[in-house]
Amino acid sequence: AQSVTQLGSHVSVSEGALVLLRCNYSSSVPPYLFWYVQYPNQGLQLLLKYTSAATLVKGINGFEAEFKKSETSFHLTKPSAHMSDAAEYFCAVMSNSGGSNYKLTFGKGTLLTVNP
Amino acid sequence: DAGVIQSPRHEVTEMGQEVTLRCKPISGHNSLFWYRQTMMRGLELLIYFNNNVPIDDSGMPEDRFSAKMPNASFSTLKIQPSEPRDSAVYFCASSLTGYTDTQYFGPGTRLTVL
Repeated sequence: AQSVTQLGSHVSVSEGALVLLRCNYSSSVPPYLFWYVQYPNQGLQLLLKYTSAATLVKGINGFEAEFKKSETSFHLTKPSAHMSDAAEYFCAVMSNSGGSNYKLTFGKGTLLTVNP
Repeated sequence: DAGVIQSPRHEVTEMGQEVTLRCKPISGHNSLFWYRQTMMRGLELLIYFNNNVPIDDSGMPEDRFSAKMPNASFSTLKIQPSEPRDSAVYFCASSLTGYTDTQYFGPGTRLTVL
């Protein structure tokens, strides 16, 4: 079964600092990979997705992620954090296990706090 | 577009009562997903509909849970009888054609079972 591991349930950065949220996946087939953001009391919003095109994927709000097959990683970065980036971030992998149905499996999430 | 609409946003009920959660997907989307989010288990897929037909219900926890999609613009998730361990945030999401398309999430229903 596919799994997603997000290292660090809570990451704290200063405003203007680099944001790095880590995600590793396990999948025996090339996956689709996603990062979603969840603001308090809201649903999940897609930040970006990887679908086997360019390995560096640019998303909304200045975020980007790089797919590294050799490391089975899909880390999310942003060069300079803004206070409005404070939210919970979820990495997700979509793949199938050989059947016809795909499944989206989420990591446990990383809460990002941004300090002034 | 109004996005995915869920109602109610908050529900507090007592153990043993029936609970019905409602979802209106984005117009034109033919896939709908119900998820449950808890601190312990994170986000879990409960059931997936495509063209109003349940395709994958392997995540439905037990017979107390049931989901229907009578038409392309409406779905319900019912819990009967409800138990305290069902307390969670339930999300509905829709996508254009299926699993591999981007899923758009509703704001969720926070369910508390006392």
